[in-house]
Amino acid sequence: EAGVTQFPSHSVIEKGQTVTLRCDPISGHDNLYWYRRVMGKEIKFLLHFVKESKQDESGMPNNRFLAERTGGTYSTLKVQPAELEDSGVYFCASSQGRIGVSGSYEQYFGPGTRLTVT
Amino acid sequence: GNSVTQMEGPVTLSEEAFLTINCTYTATGYPSLFWYVQYPGEGLQLLLKATKADDKGSNKGFEATYRKETTSFHLEKGSVQVSDSAVYFCALSDREYGNKLVFGAGTILRVKS
Repeated sequence: EAGVTQFPSHSVIEKGQTVTLRCDPISGHDNLYWYRRVMGKEIKFLLHFVKESKQDESGMPNNRFLAERTGGTYSTLKVQPAELEDSGVYFCASSQGRIGVSGSYEQYFGPGTRLTVT
Repeated sequence: GNSVTQMEGPVTLSEEAFLTINCTYTATGYPSLFWYVQYPGEGLQLLLKATKADDKGSNKGFEATYRKETTSFHLEKGSVQVSDSAVYFCALSDREYGNKLVFGAGTILRVKS
């Protein structure tokens, strides 16, 4: 079974440019999460999809960030325009479990995308 | 809101030394607790977990016990190896909040031979 994949692994862009990160979750996982780690600080939640719907986007820092999940499969996270403080590692994770139901909801993480804004 | 605090690093140990990385949490509900590990050049991997009070999670010689009375989930290993060098993250999730993970800042562990 393929794991969570992310593309690109590393992106270097200039301030003001646009970058789109992609995440392909494990097949059959309804839940998809985005997190980021900025400057060696703690990993912070950005948002959560259940299938194609945004369940929780309380962690999105501002309206320069736009996330989509087409048809409940892969997800993209677009940053437009990028700022210096957006530099960091963006992680995607997916899980199988249903919200509010106990059981297996372990989140499986991708390798991350390292974003550098200069 | 929910939060996790873990000891700052880096922690540097000699091979076969005993390891403890402290982790405490604040939560309004009944969270599940996790330790994730990130080896150099790799993504996050779940190391162990505990879903209720007094549960002990264990994997690869690492252990952590869910202590509700002290709101702690300290990570321990009796004898570390060079291959254990990595960044360790303590985290919690609460199904009432969509199971999103709340992480600590991470602790770098360096093991010398």
